[in-house]
Amino acid sequence: SYVVTQPPSVSVAPGKTATISCGGHNIGSKDVHWHQQRPGQAPRLVIYSDTDRPSGIPDRFSGSNSGNTATLTISSVEVGDEAAYYCHVWDSTSDHPGVFGGGTELTVL
Amino acid sequence: QVQLAESGGGVVQPGGSLRLSCAASGFTFSSYAMHWVRQAPGKGLEWLTITWYHGNSEYYAASVKGRFFISRDNSQNKIYLQMNSLRVDDTAIYYCARDRAAASGTIEYWGQGILVSVSS
Repeated sequence: SYVVTQPPSVSVAPGKTATISCGGHNIGSKDVHWHQQRPGQAPRLVIYSDTDRPSGIPDRFSGSNSGNTATLTISSVEVGDEAAYYCHVWDSTSDHPGVFGGGTELTVL
Repeated sequence: QVQLAESGGGVVQPGGSLRLSCAASGFTFSSYAMHWVRQAPGKGLEWLTITWYHGNSEYYAASVKGRFFISRDNSQNKIYLQMNSLRVDDTAIYYCARDRAAASGTIEYWGQGILVSVSS
């Protein structure tokens, strides 16, 4: 099965930029989506298809995907951004097409 | 607005079976693929399965293939997850989720989840 790797934790000061990586073999050829999960809540989609934002998601959230790494970038980080972030990789050529990364806990210092 | 409501969770003994349901509303159900995702206590998300909009195609994670089965009833706006041969490590919150399209693989909306506990 396809393996996706995320750093367990990232820390950032308010107002700074946070970057969260999602690594996998040739991940640039697959669709990557990002979900935010605050404690005690259901996840929420924040980036889909590598770079697109759903309606209602601030433009502080952006994504990229190339080579073996996809990246979620959150600029001007706010305290309310503190959450776990999961990348979800979709490989339409696989018999087991969906896989989540292990998640990254974003701490806003 | 999109609403997804899971039901059917609870406590089951190892080796037992359970069927989860998800009632959908607020959108044209038959036009969208649907997913199940789970989260073990204190752990990350695990994608389990998808059914295409028409219900004629489904895919599974390797960890549940052959034990879990997804189905949908477009006349009732519901999907189901039949879980067989349950193990202690199947204990988790199970989420129903809606795709962005008929068969894209993008999870756009999530239900609130329902707890399944496998214990003797």
